[in-house]
Order: sequence, then C-alpha cells, then structure tokens
Amino acid sequence: EVQLVESGGGLVQPGRSLRLSCAASGFTFDDYAMHWVRQAPGKGLEWVSGITWNSGSIGYAASVKGRFTISRDNARNSLYLQMNSLRPEDTALYYCAKDVTFDSSGNDYWGQGTLVTVSS
Amino acid sequence: EIVMTQSPATLSVSPGERANLPCRASQSVSSNLAWYQQKRGQAPRLLIYGASTRATGIPARFSGSGSGTEFTLTISSLQSEDFAVYYCQQYNNWPLTFGGGTKVEIK
Repeated sequence: EVQLVESGGGLVQPGRSLRLSCAASGFTFDDYAMHWVRQAPGKGLEWVSGITWNSGSIGYAASVKGRFTISRDNARNSLYLQMNSLRPEDTALYYCAKDVTFDSSGNDYWGQGTLVTVSS
Repeated sequence: EIVMTQSPATLSVSPGERANLPCRASQSVSSNLAWYQQKRGQAPRLLIYGASTRATGIPARFSGSGSGTEFTLTISSLQSEDFAVYYCQQYNNWPLTFGGGTKVEIK
C-alpha cells in the first residue's frame, strides 16, 4: 500500500524557515517524480514544486522561487521542502504527492498534508 | 506560466444527471492534463490523466476529453458521492498549474 506521510509543519514567524519532510513507502520511490502542492484555508490547489526521479529536473512556482528548495533522498525514500523567508501568504496545508511517472504526468497518491502557519 | 481557467465556479446538478465541467488553458498543453476530485477535509484524488485516461479504480462514469487548450470532464450520471470540487491541472510546462476549481453541488 502506497503511503506518504508529511511532517515538519507548524507555527512560524514571518521571515523564519521551516523544513518539511515526506516519508514514502509501498512503492519504488526512485522510479517516480514527486511534488509539493499546497492549499490555503478555503482556497484551491497550488502546485509549489516538483522533482523528477533522479533530481535531474526541478521546478518551482513563481510565488516560491528563490525562497523554497525541493530535494529528495532516494536511499531514505524521502522528499523534502526547505522553506526560507516565509510570508503570511505561505500559510497553507502542504501536501506531498507522487507522480504517475518518473517525469510529470499527474499525481496519483497524496499524503494527508502538514499545516504551515506563518504569523507573528 | 500557463493559466488554467475553470468556469463556472459552481455547477448545480441533480442526482442522475450528466455534468460537463470545462477547463481552458491559456496556451496549448497538448494532452498533458489531469483532473482531480476533492471532498471536504480530504486530499485530492486523481481521476484522469493524459486528458482522457482514467486513473486506477476510477468508475467509468468519469471521462475526459479534449486537447490543446479546451478540455472537458464529464460525469455521465451523478451519484451522491460525486458532489465535490473538481480541479484541472496542466503538466505540459513547468511550473505546473491548477485551475481554480468547479464545485459540483446538488440542485
């Protein structure tokens, strides 16, 4: 059974940093691209960042580029999101999502999310 | 960045009726489009990818069509469990982008 478990969320002050983790199990992690998608309270889905199976291609939403860094450790079956210079508008539920393929083809499994609240 | 537009924001449909949910891309995304269903308090669920390929375990009443800039998700006969919010997403170009969503509510 595929499982994605996010952790690392919490309450943080504007300008500070946070690192999210996603522990994956139940599939061959290094065969698939992975993504972070967020959802602000009461709002729609926003793709944040993605990384291909071998970290050869990485992408970011314009809203986070230069502040967030995605990475993966295939030996540990883990995905990460380093979030720096956090802003109140980064407040959201952050989902880790598995891609259908090694590249980018839709997200067939999602975690339950970890909540990030940026507030003073 | 490719902008995905879903209109209307809310669609009122009676159980058993057919629902057509449109999605438009600001430039061609070929067939690199996915559809998701999200119910309140739950993570999104992949319905369709490649514009028309049903994901594993998705009922046949869900179908996707279109290519280029115009796409449609069709639910052939709405069941009670289908009332939810539906999002389209293009993955032709990074950054990937979602539409704003269409909420399907009971008429």
